[in-house]
Parts: sequence; C-alpha cells; structure tokens
Amino acid sequence: DTGVSQNPRHKITKRGQNVTFRCDPISEHNRLYWYRQTLGQGPEFLTYFQNEAQLEKSRLLSDRFSAERPKGSFSTLEIQRTEQGDSAMYLCASSLFSTDYNEQFFGPGTRLTVL
Amino acid sequence: DAKTTQPTSMDCAEGRAANLPCNHSTISGNEYVYWYRQIHSQGPQYIIHGLKNNETNEMASLIITEDRKSSTLILPHATLRDTAVYYCIVRSRNLFFGTGTRLTVIP
Repeated sequence: DTGVSQNPRHKITKRGQNVTFRCDPISEHNRLYWYRQTLGQGPEFLTYFQNEAQLEKSRLLSDRFSAERPKGSFSTLEIQRTEQGDSAMYLCASSLFSTDYNEQFFGPGTRLTVL
Repeated sequence: DAKTTQPTSMDCAEGRAANLPCNHSTISGNEYVYWYRQIHSQGPQYIIHGLKNNETNEMASLIITEDRKSSTLILPHATLRDTAVYYCIVRSRNLFFGTGTRLTVIP
C-alpha cells in the first residue's frame, strides 16, 4: 500500500502522560500536514512541513504539542502532559507542493483517548 | 480565508444525482474551491477542485457560478458508498474544513 500510513491507529493514555504519533507520507510528497478532528467537527489544521522545515503552526498547537520531520520523510507528533481535551482523531496528510492547487492525501488517523 | 456555508444534511435516492450546494461569497480571486469527503472512520478523501471553470472527473462534477460566490458538487449517480460527510473548502494555502454536509444515500 503506497498511501499515507499512521501509527498507532488507537492510543489510550492517562492524563498527564506523553504520547507520540507517527506519520509516513506518500514517498515523493514533500509536504506533510497534521490535523485534529473532534466528534462532529471537521478536521482542524495544526501544522505543516515542507520537506524538513515546519512552515506554519496553528494557534491550536499549544506548547505541549511538538511536531518534527527530521529527514523530510516521516513525521512525529508528540503531546506532552496530555489532558482530556486532547482526546481526538489526529490526522496526517501529504501532498506534492504545487503553486496551482493543493490535493492532500490523508491517512486513516490515530484516535487518542485520554482518561 | 473565505468561509463556506453548507447545509447540515441531505438525503438522496440511490441512482439519482446528488447536488450538494456551497456558498462562499467572500472568496477571493486566487482561491480555489475544493471538495473532500469523509466516510465514517476514514480520513478525508479528495474529490475535485476548481477555480473558475466547471470541472468534471471520474467521481463528480463541480459547477462554479460566474461570480464564484457559490458552487455545487454533483454526484451523477449516487450509490450507497457515497454516504459520507462532504466538505466544501476555499483556501489559498492550507485546508480549512467546516462541518460539511452529511449526505445519506437511501436505497
């Protein structure tokens, strides 16, 4: 399968613990995006990378959140000191940068439950 | 970024055309209209995009009004597998999803 993959698919953690998610984009895609989706809402943009550079961060991305894409391939999203409000689906998407349009390919997501 | 307005939900009979409207009255000249859909428990899936002209691909057609203030996504022959939340998005760089339209295709 050459699509976007995310691991783990599900994560249950206790409040205050740190969690890390991984995203493997489509191999030739140079842009990688993270979104968060809560029940009944559409995905909300968190951040994106072009190659290894993090070019934009949403105000939703608090200091407890950090994302990396060290070699311009896979990316990790870490949440420190998790809170119950962090419970959501975390989606990763990738695209091939174009000035024309922005078709993003999404992974299946990681569902986080904070107890 | 231009904001979009979509109906919360719609029903469509299987085999009939599904027409999903979207208002984007504050769209600017360089912003594209994108449509994505999200089937339950999956990540969003790209459907189609356009700037000024009407567009068609193997999944759907996109009709954009001449003033670009609204558009309609057309699924020509809806099937049960088209049941999903459909998002109309207008953005020049990153995607801003609203709450979308929940389309239910009825047998």
